[in-house]
Amino acid sequence: KNEVEQSPQNLTAQEGEFITINCSYSVGISALHWLQQHPGGGIVSLFMLSSGKKKHGRLIATINIQEKHSSLHITASHPRDSAVYICAVPNTGNQFYFGTGTSLTVIP
Amino acid sequence: EPEVTQTPSHQVTQMGQEVILRCVPISNHLYFYWYRQILGQKVEFLVSFYNNEISEKSEIFDDQFSVERPDGSNFTLKIRSTKLEDSAMYFCASSETRNSPLHFGNGTRLTVT
Repeated sequence: KNEVEQSPQNLTAQEGEFITINCSYSVGISALHWLQQHPGGGIVSLFMLSSGKKKHGRLIATINIQEKHSSLHITASHPRDSAVYICAVPNTGNQFYFGTGTSLTVIP
Repeated sequence: EPEVTQTPSHQVTQMGQEVILRCVPISNHLYFYWYRQILGQKVEFLVSFYNNEISEKSEIFDDQFSVERPDGSNFTLKIRSTKLEDSAMYFCASSETRNSPLHFGNGTRLTVT
């Protein structure tokens, strides 16, 4: 069983397009993490949120706790946004569950 | 900006050998984690560590694995007798509190031959 489901698995966009990546989860959580994994393998935390919406530059993350769903949006996408975006949720016991990731390619 | 450092970046070992992967978390962080990512697969949680003890571990984290914080700065993952299927990228992460953003190291690529 997958505690965390992400969609789409792969996404190709033209530079400038608005991008949405979705995450649904089944475990009870205190917060949800959006991570970015670079082509070289390194992982960077983008957002941690437990309610509402957060914005950082061109990135926006939203979460609906009742529906157990979160979205990551990228406005005015750029080739440097090409990466794998991963949703991760810790359960109430602090065990983490990861989505399979969304591989984003932004074409100039 | 402070960062999590992991050593070595790449370790090759023979099946059955013991390996120790090392991590130096950010100094004021209290929660520490190990994750692994088998090539082409998703990231998997191994263990979380707080207050000098394991707080959660996954099914993957069996008796072959152990973690230690030997000296207040290093955080190590030991695999006692490596198997071929232990080949993966191992990431260490730390966070200031349980509900703070995670900070990841660059990973150690473990290859078991």
